[in-house]
Amino acid sequence: DQQVKQNSPSLSVQEGRISILNCDYTNSMFDYFLWYKKYPAEGPTFLISISSIKDKNEDGRFTVFLNKSAKHLSLHIVPSQPGDSAVYFCAAENNDYKLSFGAGTTVTVRA
Amino acid sequence: DTEVTQTPKHLVMGMTNKKSLKCEQHMGHRAMYWYKQKAKKPPELMFVYSYEKLSINESVPSRFSPECPNSSLLNLHLHALQPEDSALYLCASSHPIGQGYEQYFGPGTRLTVT
Repeated sequence: DQQVKQNSPSLSVQEGRISILNCDYTNSMFDYFLWYKKYPAEGPTFLISISSIKDKNEDGRFTVFLNKSAKHLSLHIVPSQPGDSAVYFCAAENNDYKLSFGAGTTVTVRA
Repeated sequence: DTEVTQTPKHLVMGMTNKKSLKCEQHMGHRAMYWYKQKAKKPPELMFVYSYEKLSINESVPSRFSPECPNSSLLNLHLHALQPEDSALYLCASSHPIGQGYEQYFGPGTRLTVT
């Protein structure tokens, strides 16, 4: 049962523009949400996270928004750079060590 | 330092071989994890160690045997694997529950079973 869903398998964006990645979840017990970035043949790299008591967290070019009532979160990357081309995984945790991952969104930044 | 290291980077083994994967972190994390990742899929949790004790086994076949010799090291012993076990094996670490949630991943070991 997929508790974390990333419904867009891919996203193509022009360099310098905004990338918006979306993620939906079904388990209302999740209390922490994370985004990971993954290049081919490498491990996922932690990008940014947000606690369920917040609705926004910003770190440089990356901002995560959380809408608890809609069980939806998004990752904004502004401005997008060629090095941002990678697979992005949304993940959620329920205070039990288990990260539930989405299926991933492949981002391609065009020059 | 947010680095998790894994060795070897690549491993090819036959179905009768015994091999081990190694993972190391020096971030003071007391929770360590093994994940398996197939191509174009998200990582799947296999094992969790908390304070050097096995706390979660996600019904992993016994041909995979984890070991946590100390707070910095995590091993995964492999024996009599099947070709379908070929995958990227990822190690991760984090602070224990209640002290933070971010899991930091190593680069992985690419395992091929022939």
